[in-house]
Amino acid sequence: LAKTTQPISMDSYEGQEVNITCSHNNIATNDYITWYQQFPSQGPRFIIQGYKTKVTNEVASLFIPADRKSSTLSLPRVSLSDTAVYYCLVGGSFYNQGGKLIFGQGTELSVKP
Amino acid sequence: EAQVTQNPRYLITVTGKKLTVTCSQNMNHEYMSWYRQDPGLGLRQIYYSMNVEVTDKGDVPEGYKVSRKEKRNFPLILESPSPNQTSLYFCASTSLGTGAEAFFGQGTRLTVV
Repeated sequence: LAKTTQPISMDSYEGQEVNITCSHNNIATNDYITWYQQFPSQGPRFIIQGYKTKVTNEVASLFIPADRKSSTLSLPRVSLSDTAVYYCLVGGSFYNQGGKLIFGQGTELSVKP
Repeated sequence: EAQVTQNPRYLITVTGKKLTVTCSQNMNHEYMSWYRQDPGLGLRQIYYSMNVEVTDKGDVPEGYKVSRKEKRNFPLILESPSPNQTSLYFCASTSLGTGAEAFFGQGTRLTVV
């Protein structure tokens, strides 16, 4: 299973764009990259998932370079409600992962007014 | 609405008194799992199930039991709770396709005194 490395914490201000980078040097060919958001005392919530290049949805964009050894979650114009922990996960089919989602320490994003 | 429902949300119990935390999903997902989250230790998998009557241990199964008699339900059983099982518990479900999104319950905060 590919290990991920991301910053422990980040600070931002309302209205700014926030980019959180995740390193996953030993990503496998069939692995996807998935980001989850977790608010205190709530379950993680799926944000976005990608395999290569760029993926965009209504809340975020995910940039994946050609070598796929890293990925960047981009949150446009953050607000106070985006204060949360963000997790980067790398993996493929659950059959190959032993049925497990590997959550690292995540990045604690603090958005200030 | 797609959801994973856990009950109860909060529970305070005494050492040794058997308890069950229920988990139900309405998405017809094959895969379900239980995690516990503790400060500084992140999310750790307790047990998982790939389908009905198929369960397996995760990283921290000691002191827990599970069952999967129906596809939608995956209860977590603590036969003899101890204070070190005081934690925040999450149930999750997903389909077994490659890179599938996982859905998490709201969490159950358990205190064992």
